[in-house]
Amino acid sequence: QVQVLESGGGVVQPGRSLRLSCVASGFTFSSYDMHWVRQAPGKGLEWMAVISYDGSNQFYADSVKGRFTISRDSSKNTLYLQMNSLRAEDTAVYYCAKEGGSFGGSYPFDYWGQGTLVTVSS
Amino acid sequence: EIVMTQSPATLSVSPGERATLSCRASQSVGSNLAWYQQKPGQAPRLLIYGASTRATGISARFSGSRSGTEFTLTISSLQSEDFAVYYCQQYNNWPPYTFGQGTKLEIK
Repeated sequence: QVQVLESGGGVVQPGRSLRLSCVASGFTFSSYDMHWVRQAPGKGLEWMAVISYDGSNQFYADSVKGRFTISRDSSKNTLYLQMNSLRAEDTAVYYCAKEGGSFGGSYPFDYWGQGTLVTVSS
Repeated sequence: EIVMTQSPATLSVSPGERATLSCRASQSVGSNLAWYQQKPGQAPRLLIYGASTRATGISARFSGSRSGTEFTLTISSLQSEDFAVYYCQQYNNWPPYTFGQGTKLEIK
């Protein structure tokens, strides 16, 4: 069955960096665009970034552009989110999500991980 | 950026009754609209995509519809497990993908 499992969250000081990972299984990872979505405590869902199935294209929310980098390693079925210059407002649960259709296009997110909590605090 | 506006913010309904949740897009998204359910401490779960198609394994009690830029999620005969927060999302014009602010469905 399809699974995506995030890791790498924790407590980090403002201005520091953190890298999140998401290991995928149960589907052909290299065929699907993958996303990061976050949710601040008690708040709604905020889309962060997407990477194309082949890694050739990445897009970001304005709130993280220039600070966060999404990448993937299809040999390891793993998605990454490198977060630099972290701010208090980046505190959230970060979810990795699989796109519902293969090889790009416009699709909803059909599988989500359980999330990993990032807390930015001094 | 397309803004998705959900209403109401909170909806109180009795078990067995019907719930109707609304989502409006600031511009056309075609039928590229999804609904997600999120329970406390859990990840969102895809319920509806293409405005009206149920995702795999989703009960027929959930239905979606579209009228222009207005979208509706209807849950018939509410069960205890249906009380949760519901989000709409457009995936037509991206980036960014945008979500509504959520509707909390609570027990009356």
